[in-house]
Amino acid sequence: QSALTQSASVSGSPGQSITISCTGTSSDVGGYNYVSWYQQHPGKAPKVIIYGVSNRPSGVSNRFSGSKSGNTASLTISGLQAEDEADYYCGSRRSTHVVFGGGTKLTVL
Amino acid sequence: EVQLVESGGGLVQPGGSLRLSCVASGFTFNTEYMSWVRQAPGKGLECVAKINPGGSETYSVDSVKGRFTIFKDNAKNSLYLQMNNLRAEDTAVYYCVTETWFRFDYWGQGALVTVSS
Repeated sequence: QSALTQSASVSGSPGQSITISCTGTSSDVGGYNYVSWYQQHPGKAPKVIIYGVSNRPSGVSNRFSGSKSGNTASLTISGLQAEDEADYYCGSRRSTHVVFGGGTKLTVL
Repeated sequence: EVQLVESGGGLVQPGGSLRLSCVASGFTFNTEYMSWVRQAPGKGLECVAKINPGGSETYSVDSVKGRFTIFKDNAKNSLYLQMNNLRAEDTAVYYCVTETWFRFDYWGQGALVTVSS
C-alpha cells in the first residue's frame, strides 16, 4: 500500500485535458511544498516533470502543470498527445525522505 | 551530461546478499544527496535509502532497516547499496538517483534484483 493515494487510471482523447490527483496527509503533501510528479514510459526510468508543486524543469512542455490544495496535489495535462500515454507518479517530502503515490496509468484514446 | 550507471543486480536466493554499485559522472558527486529508489514488477516507486553528500547521514525505509546499507565513496564517484538477508519482496528494479530538495532529477538505467529459490 502506497503512502500517497492516486487513482489507478485515467483516460482522455487527443487535445483534451486531464487531471490526476494525489492525496496525502498534513505530514507530507499538506505540510510541505515539495511535491513532484514523474512520468514513466514502459521499460524506461521515471522522469521528473513537475517539482516544488508547480515548477517545470527546463525542457518539459508547458502542457504539464501542477497545483496543491490542502492535502491533495494535482497534475494537469492539457492538449493531450499520444506520447503522453504513460504512468504518472506523485512524490512528496515526508520528514527527511520522499514518499510516492501508487501511480496513475494515463491512456490516450 | 549526467550519467548514472548501476551494476551488481542478479538472481539471489532468499537470505542471500548482493551489493549494487552506481558510478556517477557529469556532476559534482560529493555535493549531491543520492538515493536508491526501487520498483517491484508492475508496481510503484519506493525510496529505500538516502545518503547525504559527505556520507555521514543516511535514511532507510522501515522494511529494509537492519538489512540494507547505503554508502558512498566520493573519491570514486560511486554509490553503493549493500543488501543482506534478501527476501522475495525485495525483488525489484533498483535505480540510483540524484536527489535535490526532495525531487529526483537524474536516474540510472536500473539494476534488476530477483530474489528466488
